[in-house]
Amino acid sequence: QKEVEQNSGPLSVPEGAIASLNCTYSDRGSQSFFWYRQYSGKSPELIMFIYSNGDKEDGRFTAQLNKASQYVSLLIRDSQPSDSATYLCAVNGRPNAGGTSYGKLTFGQGTILTVHP
Amino acid sequence: DADVTQTPRNRITKTGKRIMLECSQTKGHDRMYWYRQDPGLGLRLIYYSFDVKDINKGEISDGYSVSRQAQAKFSLSLESAIPNQTALYFCATSSPLGTDTQYFGPGTRLTVL
Repeated sequence: QKEVEQNSGPLSVPEGAIASLNCTYSDRGSQSFFWYRQYSGKSPELIMFIYSNGDKEDGRFTAQLNKASQYVSLLIRDSQPSDSATYLCAVNGRPNAGGTSYGKLTFGQGTILTVHP
Repeated sequence: DADVTQTPRNRITKTGKRIMLECSQTKGHDRMYWYRQDPGLGLRLIYYSFDVKDINKGEISDGYSVSRQAQAKFSLSLESAIPNQTALYFCATSSPLGTDTQYFGPGTRLTVL
């Protein structure tokens, strides 16, 4: 079983719709979770991070975390063609013994999202 | 100016050549990382460094070496390049003070013929 799994897609949604991207992880001790967006040939850029169970909203983006189910998702409301990209889920492992952040991220393979006009 | 820079941005080389990719950052972060990205395989960690004297292998370190010359500089070397090292390489930085979010450089596209 992969440590971080995403549906590779492609996921295709019409402009204005809600795009739902999902990610599961295997390490129950994982503490922080990140969503990155990557345009073709470009570097990943951070969209959101989330630590606590529940929802976190930032503009058109909502991250949802359920640690009991080891599941994190990203919702994109009012999807635009400019949202077409690969979305990467990344998980930071459990903290070190001294309490500092583990640091190493494990990335999923990414979900390709296409928003068509 | 970009906070994380990588040089060169593109490189074509031949099998057996030694190649160095450089990464510099002005974010003041202690932690730096090197990844490679291949189609369908996502981002895979090659090496990481949590400070100047702390360097660790990632999941795919064979065939690579690194040097942390200063807090702001982290170089990746391919001692004898081979074609299956053709990939997109990214450097990233983070700080454990706060969110430990990783910030990526623009990438280096390396082609080994």
